Amino acid sequence: DAKTTQPTSMDCAEGRAANLPCNHSTISGNEYVYWYRQIHSQGPQYIIHGLKNNETNEMASLIITEDRKSSTLILPHATLRDTAVYYCIVTFRGTASKLTFGTGTRLQVTL
Amino acid sequence: EAQVTQNPRYLITVTGKKLTVTCSQNMNHEYMSWYRQDPGLGLRQIYYSMNVEVTDKGDVPEGYKVSRKEKRNFPLILESPSPNQTSLYFCASRVRQGITDTQYFGPGTRLTVL
Repeated sequence: DAKTTQPTSMDCAEGRAANLPCNHSTISGNEYVYWYRQIHSQGPQYIIHGLKNNETNEMASLIITEDRKSSTLILPHATLRDTAVYYCIVTFRGTASKLTFGTGTRLQVTL
Repeated sequence: EAQVTQNPRYLITVTGKKLTVTCSQNMNHEYMSWYRQDPGLGLRQIYYSMNVEVTDKGDVPEGYKVSRKEKRNFPLILESPSPNQTSLYFCASRVRQGITDTQYFGPGTRLTVL
């Protein structure tokens, strides 16, 4: 699985968009980008995933660069409840694929 | 409500005393897995199961056993716990259908081995 690099921490004001970057320069053609988050030692929560097209759901948007070497998770209107550690994971989507969680980005949303 | 449940949520035990952490999901998922989380190391997969009676090792299987006799349950067994197994454990089940590919995690079990 491709290795990912994320900033250790980020701050965002409540109501503003939070843009969380992830570098995955060694991603292969059939590996997907997944984002999960973990709020204070709770179980991780799925956010979104994509292959090469930009994706949007009720939680967030995922922007993947054309060369697929990096991506950005966008929380359009961050709230205090979005304070969490965000994990960017790159993996194959096969039956036995696993999620390898690194140390993620700690997002602090402030008033 | 769709969920993954784990029991117990907290456990303090002593070295060598066998224990089992239960995991159950009500979503009829075929794929289930166990992770442990340690400070600075992220989450690491211990074991996974692709269906009933089908299990395989993850990245850190030493000292653990699992079984999958029914689709909904995937217990994690520590035959002889040691202090280095003190950790936060998460069970997860996965749905992969069409474009959907989501793992649902349980609330976690915090284990301390003295």
